[in-house]
Amino acid sequence: DTAVSQTPKYLVTQMGNDKSIKCEQNLGHDTMYWYKQDSKKFLKIMFSYNNKELIINETVPNRFSPKSPDKAHLNLHINSLELGDSAVYFCASSLGGGELFFGEGSRLTVL
Amino acid sequence: AQSVTQLGSHVSVSEGALVLLRCNYSSSVPPYLFWYVQYPNQGLQLLLKYTSAATLVKGINGFEAEFKKSETSFHLTKPSAHMSDAAEYFCAVSDQGGGYQKVTFGTGTKLQVIP
Repeated sequence: DTAVSQTPKYLVTQMGNDKSIKCEQNLGHDTMYWYKQDSKKFLKIMFSYNNKELIINETVPNRFSPKSPDKAHLNLHINSLELGDSAVYFCASSLGGGELFFGEGSRLTVL
Repeated sequence: AQSVTQLGSHVSVSEGALVLLRCNYSSSVPPYLFWYVQYPNQGLQLLLKYTSAATLVKGINGFEAEFKKSETSFHLTKPSAHMSDAAEYFCAVSDQGGGYQKVTFGTGTKLQVIP
């Protein structure tokens, strides 16, 4: 049973479209994150939720909107996709203490 | 603000040789420090973490790291490299504050192991 699962694994779409990525964790953790990894492998935190409450919101365009329906799920919706949004998006969860458990990533390609 | 700097974006070692990946940190409060590994097309997984107990931390797959406050360093080592160690390695830092932590990653070091 996968601890942190993301869907879809791959998205290919045109500029201007809207897309969503879903994440679920079965570890019972209270905190979940979205990270963006660019083509140079640089990892940047985007958002974090603790028990459905937004606690970290980095400087991210407001075209990106996270939603956490419950503490086991964290989704990411992206409006009006741009070329620069192409990246791998990772979901992660944590029990605290900074130790993160990552999903396998969702590779987004914007054409 | 906390940060980590990884020295060397690419490191090549021969199979059986010592692996040394360098990381220096900057933090205004006592840090928690981590090393994560990322294999191709996978998410990151924790190798080891320092949380102010022992300064020498042992992790999975034979890796270890030593916290040196005087040098603000947390270098990752392994005595003998295996082919399976080829991957991207990330140093990371968070503060020790209670509740939820923001984890900041370094830019990564790609380890190549030459047979």
